Amino acid sequence: DQQVKQNSPSLSVQEGRISILNCDYTNSMFDYFLWYKKYPAEGPTFLISISSIKDKNEDGRFTVFLNKSAKHLSLHIVPSQPGDSAVYFCAAKRNFGNEKLTFGTGTRLTIIP
Amino acid sequence: DVKVTQSSRYLVKRTGEKVFLECVQDMDHENMFWYRQDPGLGLRLIYFSYDVKMKEKGDIPEGYSVSREKKERFSLILESASTNQTSMYLCASRGTGLGYTEAFFGQGTRLTVV
Repeated sequence: DQQVKQNSPSLSVQEGRISILNCDYTNSMFDYFLWYKKYPAEGPTFLISISSIKDKNEDGRFTVFLNKSAKHLSLHIVPSQPGDSAVYFCAAKRNFGNEKLTFGTGTRLTIIP
Repeated sequence: DVKVTQSSRYLVKRTGEKVFLECVQDMDHENMFWYRQDPGLGLRLIYFSYDVKMKEKGDIPEGYSVSREKKERFSLILESASTNQTSMYLCASRGTGLGYTEAFFGQGTRLTVV
């Protein structure tokens, strides 16, 4: 039962253009969402997050949008840079302190110079 | 600076061996987690611990056990390694409370069982 889904296993984007990564979830109890970036042979690193009380959060080139009614979130990267090439995971949790993070299957983003 | 350290980057073990993967965090976090990453399957939770000597099964606990004798250390044990446990293993830690939402990951251990 995949509660967090990333339906695009891979995405290629020209350098300088916008990258849009999508994530869907099924559990209505999730109320905090995170994006992680992972390079090969390294652990994931936290990128940006959003609480369910918001519909947008921005941090530099990265913006996360949340559509609660559709149970959908997206990560926008503008402008895309070669160093953004990595696997991106979305994750979700219930905001009760000890709750685990549930991850999606990941999207491999390749930025074409 | 936040740090989660896994004892090995790469390990090769034989089928049937008992394998220990160690993880240490220096952030005084209550919660620690073990995930495995496999292509097409994302990160799947094996076990987590929310306090010393406390543990809970994650989504795929079969074939694994854990130990948390000290707050900073969380060990994953493969009782009898099998080839289907070849994977990237990732340890993470997170604090407790509304201000603690992101988890910090170690660098990962690539385990190959032959």
